[in-house]
Order: sequence, then structure tokens, then C-alpha cells
Amino acid sequence: RKEVEQDPGPFNVPEGATVAFNCTYSNSASQSFFWYRQDCRKEPKLLMSVYSSGNEDGRFTAQLNRASQYISLLIRDSKLSDSATYLCVCTGYSSASKIIFGSGTRLSIRP
Amino acid sequence: DAGVIQSPRHEVTEMGQEVTLRCKPISGHDYLFWYRQTMMRGLELLIYFNNNVPIDDSGMPEDRFSAKMPNASFSTLKIQPSEPRDSAVYFCASSLVLVLGPLNTEAFFGQGTRLTVV
Repeated sequence: RKEVEQDPGPFNVPEGATVAFNCTYSNSASQSFFWYRQDCRKEPKLLMSVYSSGNEDGRFTAQLNRASQYISLLIRDSKLSDSATYLCVCTGYSSASKIIFGSGTRLSIRP
Repeated sequence: DAGVIQSPRHEVTEMGQEVTLRCKPISGHDYLFWYRQTMMRGLELLIYFNNNVPIDDSGMPEDRFSAKMPNASFSTLKIQPSEPRDSAVYFCASSLVLVLGPLNTEAFFGQGTRLTVV
């Protein structure tokens, strides 16, 4: 089983729709969580951190469920420019922690 | 700052040849990471350095792979000899600190080196 798993998609939704996807992690000791966005043939870039209490950044909401060991990303009022691959990241606190990326969920927004 | 700089952007080489990928991290960043991305395996952490010292190289696939960081502004990832299954995009990333709790800080990625071994 992979340490971090994501549904690869693609999620194909109309512009303006709300879309959500999850990422599960197997290491209960994971402490820090992030969502990165990667455009086609580009490098990953940080989208947002995921805080224990959940956090929102404009149309994006990230949540953490430690009991079930997953994080989620919700995008409201989706735009064409949201089309990308979304990677979740889990890591720990110590300098020896591994930084684990999920394989990504591909999102395509259609007009 | 110009960000993380990788070279070359594209590399095509024949099987058996030595390949050297280069990375210049953002000045002042203490951590440097090498990743490999393929369609099949996604983004994999190969190795990372803290203050030029390799901390975890458990992701390095084989002895054919080696990485060095001779100083704070330069790192190399070498594959010798290269094989077709090494074809992938190799990313270098750097961060100020290791991502931790309330002091979350992001890892900045270079644009990657697209390696094709034929």
C-alpha cells in the first residue's frame, strides 16, 4: 500500500461547479500536510497548507481528518484556470521525516 | 531571487552513458531535495540534504544513482550508467526549513530536467 494515496482522476467538471477530492495517508505519525498544484509540464507549486482545524483560501478549502487519516481539498465556483493536477503532501516533524507526495489527482474544468 | 535553477532542461542520452543533472537552490535555503516524476510512480523523493549533508537517500533507486552537494549553492544528481527506465522528469527543490507544523514553509521547485534515455 502506498503511504499517500490519491484518486488519479481525471475529474472532469463544468465551470462553476464545486469539486472535492481526498488524499489518504497510512502513517499515523504524519504531522504536516499540504496541497500542491502542478500544471502540465510544469513544476509543482504550493497551493495551501492544511491545518488541523481546517482552513480556507478564497475558493479553496482544505481539511484534515486525523481519525480517518485523510485530507481533502474542496474547490468552489471552479474556473477554467483550476485545471491542473493536485498533489497532496505528508511529512513529519523531525529532520529524518520523509516528505511523501501523492501521485496527484487530475482536474479538468470544461466551459 | 531567480528561484531554483536546474540544468539542463532537457537531456537525451544513449543507454550506458553517464548523465549529470545540476541544481542551484535558492540562496539561504538549508534543505535541498531531488525528486523523480513518472506517470507510473508519480513524484518520488530520491534524496535530500540539510546544510549540504545527505540526510535520507533511501529513495535512491540503485547504486547507479549518486548525489552530491559540495557547497550550499550547488548540487548534482548523477546516473551512471543510464538505462531507459531512468527516463523521467527530475526535479530539484529547496526550502528554508523542513516543513513543520505552525512554521510551515514551502518547498520551491525548479523547472525540472526531462531525461530521455534511448
